[in-house]
Amino acid sequence: DTGVSQNPRHKITKRGQNVTFRCDPISEHNRLYWYRQTLGQGPEFLTYFQNEAQLEKSRLLSDRFSAERPKGSFSTLEIQRTEQGDSAMYLCATPGRGMHTEAFFGQGTRLTVV
Amino acid sequence: DQQVKQNSPSLSVQEGRISILNCDYTNSMFDYFLWYKKYPAEGPTFLISISSIKDKNEDGRFTVFLNKSAKHLSLHIVPSQPGDSAVYFCAASGRYGGSQGNLIFGKGTKLSVKP
Repeated sequence: DTGVSQNPRHKITKRGQNVTFRCDPISEHNRLYWYRQTLGQGPEFLTYFQNEAQLEKSRLLSDRFSAERPKGSFSTLEIQRTEQGDSAMYLCATPGRGMHTEAFFGQGTRLTVV
Repeated sequence: DQQVKQNSPSLSVQEGRISILNCDYTNSMFDYFLWYKKYPAEGPTFLISISSIKDKNEDGRFTVFLNKSAKHLSLHIVPSQPGDSAVYFCAASGRYGGSQGNLIFGKGTKLSVKP
């Protein structure tokens, strides 16, 4: 149990459609991270929330991507007009208790764009 | 330009022997290093970490060594077990290398432990 629940686990969508993923931390965390992992790569940082404020966005996060964290609890990641290059595992993570970020990941949402 | 490099895509060892996974980094501002293990279709699982003020950290069968002058770290698994077969990711963070604590990962090394 990583303390992070992600839904859906798998999503297959047609190119051009919009998709939304959800991340629910089981316990309260000020910080929440989104990462993306493509085949043959390690996870890559996308964006970071401190409570409800989105404090940092990677260059990987194009204008088609938007993330929210209303009320500082769960978070959503939406991709508009999906492209085949968006196919990846999307991972949500929360930090450990220490001052350093031993990020604890959810099981991820596997997106396949056909 | 990759700041965290895992140059061996795969490693195969016999059960009971030592597994040594290597990682190099380029950014001297990194001050915290982590290893994650990942099974297919699951998120990465945190294994062990080390601060830059240390050169060794041990947790059961897992030991991480850090050589700051060489910008190199390694994960030792002794003894290796078939259940250790997975992809292992090295990650780093730091105030400048990874702002606000977000992690920078290597590409991973696939470990296969044969019975």
